[in-house]
Amino acid sequence: GNSVTQMEGPVTLSEEAFLTINCTYTATGYPSLFWYVQYPGEGLQLLLKATKADDKGSNKGFEATYRKETTSFHLEKGSVQVSDSAVYFCALKSPGGGADGLTFGKGTHLIIQP
Amino acid sequence: DAGITQSPRYKITETGRQVTLMCHQTWSHSYMFWYRQDLGHGLRLIYYSAAADITDKGEVPDGYVVSRSKTENFPLTLESATRSQTSVYFCASSDGGDRSSDTQYFGPGTRLTVL
Repeated sequence: GNSVTQMEGPVTLSEEAFLTINCTYTATGYPSLFWYVQYPGEGLQLLLKATKADDKGSNKGFEATYRKETTSFHLEKGSVQVSDSAVYFCALKSPGGGADGLTFGKGTHLIIQP
Repeated sequence: DAGITQSPRYKITETGRQVTLMCHQTWSHSYMFWYRQDLGHGLRLIYYSAAADITDKGEVPDGYVVSRSKTENFPLTLESATRSQTSVYFCASSDGGDRSSDTQYFGPGTRLTVL
């Protein structure tokens, strides 16, 4: 079956540091890949998405590239801010159809210190 | 406001009681989903629905019942609540099956405590 593996953290960085959160997956075929962000007390918000190999998703300074050869979708940001403190979830969706649920990683808790 | 809403946002109940969590979306999305979020597990799919009157089990369906008589509503019922069902429940919806429209949009969640 499908699975997603990501570092759980907490990951603590100083403001303006470079961020990488690793995400690797196991799936058949070519899934769609997602990063969601959850701020304290809120639901999940879509951060970025990629649907095919070598696609790069980007939003709010965050980027992730769909690497089929390494089955990875690592999240990066060049200079983090305190407001980026949140839990980040990597997820995949099988290509089979709209009714397929997302398979999530366990989430990475990111803490940015001023 | 348009979007996806859940009610109640917080609920405390006792073991053995029936509880219904509501989910409503205004986008007329075909697909709707229920997930639970637990520490150490991330989010896990409970049930999903492809359209009105079409529902199916996800990864962790035991102890839950769903219905979908209208496209916009997708209630989740715990028929006899247990402590292991203490969790945060998220509803989500998406427009379609192809890659351009398969993004799922999440509600704000319901925090359920079963005593």
